[in-house]
Amino acid sequence: QVQLQESGPGLVKPSQTLSLTCTVSGGSISSGSYYWSWIRQPAGKGLEWIGRIYTSGSTNYNPSLKSRVTISVDTSKNQFSLKLSSVTAADTAVYYCARVWWELYPDAFDIWGQGTMVTVSS
Amino acid sequence: QSVLTQPPSASGTPGQRVTISCSGSSSNIGSNTVNWYQQLPGTAPKLLIYSNNQRPSGVPDRFSGSKSGTSASLAISGLQSEDEADYYCAAWDDSLNGPYVFGTGTKVTVL
Repeated sequence: QVQLQESGPGLVKPSQTLSLTCTVSGGSISSGSYYWSWIRQPAGKGLEWIGRIYTSGSTNYNPSLKSRVTISVDTSKNQFSLKLSSVTAADTAVYYCARVWWELYPDAFDIWGQGTMVTVSS
Repeated sequence: QSVLTQPPSASGTPGQRVTISCSGSSSNIGSNTVNWYQQLPGTAPKLLIYSNNQRPSGVPDRFSGSKSGTSASLAISGLQSEDEADYYCAAWDDSLNGPYVFGTGTKVTVL
């Protein structure tokens, strides 16, 4: 079955850019029935949606992060990526990638990666 | 930033029924479907309910969802020890073309 795996540095310095990749295995990222999202969760706190990308390249971002976020897709590698610029300690969180199979589960994240912890610190 | 409000905690003894509320507004719950996620300690969230009241394959029928107006609720009947987890409601928000918003989360404790 389809699995998602996040990867990237666990430590990022303040003001730098956080870069993460989500690798999709067990299926193609290119199916028109899916879109792909990033979600984060600070320790002991709730979930925050960061943004989404369709395999066409179309994106939507959380307005609160929009000026700093870029989500892209590389269909040849079956991956999609997150870049968050000008990070501060407030961006320290577990970052999850997730899938929406909109034909079956409209706007519901049916598959999640295990999550990766990113700490912003000098 | 959560715009969906949930009680911070709920509890019950094994076999009891527990209900979790989720309060939103006309731009989110009032005009879009609600999903519920279960997050066991140290793990990624899992889809529990989608489209207000539908269960994905594999989710026990002890879990049920409902929606009325700008509020939604999740019910767990026949509470079991493995149900001890955090639960989040979520919905798309139509203001400013998003975002997708999650609830504040409810910690369910099995006494």
